[in-house]
Amino acid sequence: QVQLQESGPGLVKPSETLSLTCTVSGGSVSSGAYYWSWIRQPPGKGLEWIAYIYYSGNTNYNPSLKSRVTISIDTSKNQFSLKLSSVTAADTALYYCARALVGYSYASFDSWGQGTLVTVSS
Amino acid sequence: EIVLTQSPGTLSLSPGERATLSCRASQSVRSSYLAWYQQKPGQAPRLLIHGVSSRATGIPDRFSGSGSGTDFTLIISRLEPEDFAVYYCQQYGSSPLFTFGPGTTVDIK
Repeated sequence: QVQLQESGPGLVKPSETLSLTCTVSGGSVSSGAYYWSWIRQPPGKGLEWIAYIYYSGNTNYNPSLKSRVTISIDTSKNQFSLKLSSVTAADTALYYCARALVGYSYASFDSWGQGTLVTVSS
Repeated sequence: EIVLTQSPGTLSLSPGERATLSCRASQSVRSSYLAWYQQKPGQAPRLLIHGVSSRATGIPDRFSGSGSGTDFTLIISRLEPEDFAVYYCQQYGSSPLFTFGPGTTVDIK
């Protein structure tokens, strides 16, 4: 059974860059069946998809964040990462990494990390 | 951008009752790209339904999904104590590629 685990600083200063890594175990990020994603959830609020990356390096970003987001993948370490630049308090959220399975008639996140809280504050 | 609206915002029911949750899209959802998730406090969301009506692995058959176009429904036939949670619908295919509804809270009456 695949497991995903987020890691990274829990506190980031305004205007700096948030950096998170998701380590995948029990499965491979090189699997062509899946897209590897980041999703966030501000405290007490709903879910927002940020971006995905495919093992080939193909990416797709939420247009609302695209100018500030970079997603990357390291198949040798079985990890993928998120960088979000110029953060503000509005970026304070629980950040999840998740695996998306996309097919002819289905596209959903079937595995999730436990989430990591990132607070933007000076 | 497709906006998903969920109703009601909160559903107060008793164990054993039937729960009917609605997800409405501002435009037609492409193909069958509609999923449902359950989230309990302090936990990550859990996939319940994908492709409008297919239960994810290990999901009990009291959960069922239906709908097409812009109107989708999640039904929990008989609420168990562990079903009280927040439920989100999610679509795929419009920019942004994935969007979620605001959620419906099912709480104990």
